[in-house]
Amino acid sequence: DSGVTQTPKHLITATGQRVTLRCSPRSGDLSVYWYQQSLDQGLQFLIQYYNGEERAKGNILERFSAQQFPDLHSELNLSSLELGDSALYFCASSTRQVEDTQYFGPGTRLTVL
Amino acid sequence: KNQVEQSPQSLIILEGKNCTLQCNYTVSPFSNLRWYKQDTGRGPVSLTIMTFSENTKSNGRYTATLDADTKQSSLHITASQLSDSASYICVVSARDAGNNRKLIWGLGTSLAVNP
Repeated sequence: DSGVTQTPKHLITATGQRVTLRCSPRSGDLSVYWYQQSLDQGLQFLIQYYNGEERAKGNILERFSAQQFPDLHSELNLSSLELGDSALYFCASSTRQVEDTQYFGPGTRLTVL
Repeated sequence: KNQVEQSPQSLIILEGKNCTLQCNYTVSPFSNLRWYKQDTGRGPVSLTIMTFSENTKSNGRYTATLDADTKQSSLHITASQLSDSASYICVVSARDAGNNRKLIWGLGTSLAVNP
């Protein structure tokens, strides 16, 4: 158990809908990262937050947004969903810097029908 | 362009055998290199981290090597077990044009250990 929790574990929705994925980092970790992993693909970095502020952006679509709250939990919002958004979404946390060991949550499997 | 390339893409070995996975990177300036293990459907778990000055680092049956001159790393797995079946991902830390740290993720090597 990495100490990172993600909810929900599974999510099934229809095209055009909006969903919110939630992540709670390990106790004491200030950085939160979001990744997308499509079937049989590598991890794609989406975005990083550090202590409530956006720190780095990867290949995140404009339809996606995220935020980190004062209690350091984070949410990833996906809107106008398309079939191609079906994937595993992982949240990870680290102490501070991007070079620190990242601890990954169990992921949320999103299926868009 | 910063890149991390891993080979082979996939590998099948028999239980008890050794294997070596490769990672070549064209990242500059280099900061550190990690190997992660990702079981199917689960989040990656860090195996080793190596900085510029380190040549070898072990974690149980896993041994990582780094040659910073040739920009190559390898992950050697000794006496493989069925539980070693997973994807092994090489991740290199670098700095972008704005001097911000960023991670460059490889696509991983999928290892299957058969009985």
